[in-house]
Amino acid sequence: QKEVEQNSGPLSVPEGAIASLNCTYSDRGSQSFFWYRQYSGKSPELIMFIYSNGDKEDGRFTAQLNKASQYVSLLIRDSQPSDSATYLCAVNMFGRWDGGYQKVTFGIGTKLQVIP
Amino acid sequence: NAGVMQNPRHLVRRRGQEARLRCSPMKGHSHVYWYRQLPEEGLKFMVYLQKENIIDESGMPKERFSAEFPKEGPSILRIQQVVRGDSAAYFCASSPPIGGGRNEQFFGPGTRLTVL
Repeated sequence: QKEVEQNSGPLSVPEGAIASLNCTYSDRGSQSFFWYRQYSGKSPELIMFIYSNGDKEDGRFTAQLNKASQYVSLLIRDSQPSDSATYLCAVNMFGRWDGGYQKVTFGIGTKLQVIP
Repeated sequence: NAGVMQNPRHLVRRRGQEARLRCSPMKGHSHVYWYRQLPEEGLKFMVYLQKENIIDESGMPKERFSAEFPKEGPSILRIQQVVRGDSAAYFCASSPPIGGGRNEQFFGPGTRLTVL
């Protein structure tokens, strides 16, 4: 089982729709969860982080965390063509702790295509 | 506040040459991570360093690759005797001193290495 799993996509949604990106993780003790956006040929950009169960909203983005189900998602409302990118889920794996080091593991990323 | 800086942005080497990639973390950040990304693939963790210490090099190939983060100056990822399979984007990320389970990493623009 992969430590952080994402569907590689592509996920295609029409402009204006809600895009839902999902991620599951294997380490039940994980504490911190991050979403990065990566445009083609560019570096990953941190767009959301969440630490507590529930929802966290920032503009058109909502991160949802369910630790019991080991599931984290990212919702993008009113999707725009400029949202077309690969979205990387990253998880701070609690189990790997050594003198202050908690390893962050990245999923493979989901490619999102917003169709005008 | 300058972000993570990497240079060079593009590097071309012939097989058998050495490649040196540099990374300067964000101000106030003492943790540096190196990742490799092949075209259309996910981020692969290589190494995690703090000043003068390698904390986790579990993702580094056993031969030809080395990394350092000296007390003064940037972190260096060194690839000796490069082969065509080393062609990839190499990203550096930095994070502040870890505390409270958070480990937000901020990425530099990357170095695109091409081996002829």
